[in-house]
Amino acid sequence: EDQVTQSPEALRLQEGESSSLNCSYTVSGLRGLFWYRQDPGKGPEFLFTLYSAGEEKEKERLKATLTKKESFLHITAPKPEDSATYLCAVPVMGSARQLTFGSGTQLTVLP
Amino acid sequence: DAGVIQSPRHEVTEMGQEVTLRCKPISGHNSLFWYRQTMMRGLELLIYFNNNVPIDDSGMPEDRFSAKMPNASFSTLKIQPSEPRDSAVYFCASSLRVSGLTYEQYFGPGTRLTVT
Repeated sequence: EDQVTQSPEALRLQEGESSSLNCSYTVSGLRGLFWYRQDPGKGPEFLFTLYSAGEEKEKERLKATLTKKESFLHITAPKPEDSATYLCAVPVMGSARQLTFGSGTQLTVLP
Repeated sequence: DAGVIQSPRHEVTEMGQEVTLRCKPISGHNSLFWYRQTMMRGLELLIYFNNNVPIDDSGMPEDRFSAKMPNASFSTLKIQPSEPRDSAVYFCASSLRVSGLTYEQYFGPGTRLTVT
């Protein structure tokens, strides 16, 4: 059973066109939700950790929010360098260390 | 900090050969993870260690795969014998867990393995 689902699979935006990526999860008793950015040919790069519903974190043009069922990664006025695959992950049920990753959203920002 | 270091970055080998991937975690981190990433299956956890001890290897696909962590600063993932379906990018990640909460993992640059 999938514990984390990301949508859309791919998103193309014009530079400056704000949008949001979605990560929905089915784990009960969430012990953290993690967002990563992955560029082609590189390892995932950690962006944010969110631990409780209502929590928000920001970094440059990115803002991550968390509810009891899903997380959003909001991208404000994106630039071409924001193009990447964005992954979210949640801890595996019964484990404090293992993460299960979504399949990712491939974001392309066109100049 | 140099981050997680993996070697080699690329490995091309023939079917049946032994392959050894290496990882140096971030200094001070006490958990180490090996992942495999493919287009079809995404990012899959193979095995993880806590304080150098293997905790869960249920993700290791077959007995052909083995992993060791002889000390806090080094781990290996070995495939013997290798098969074409093992072709993937293998990532090592490390994290520091103190108590309770799950902490973020930091990934290395990966090893792209091609088995012909």
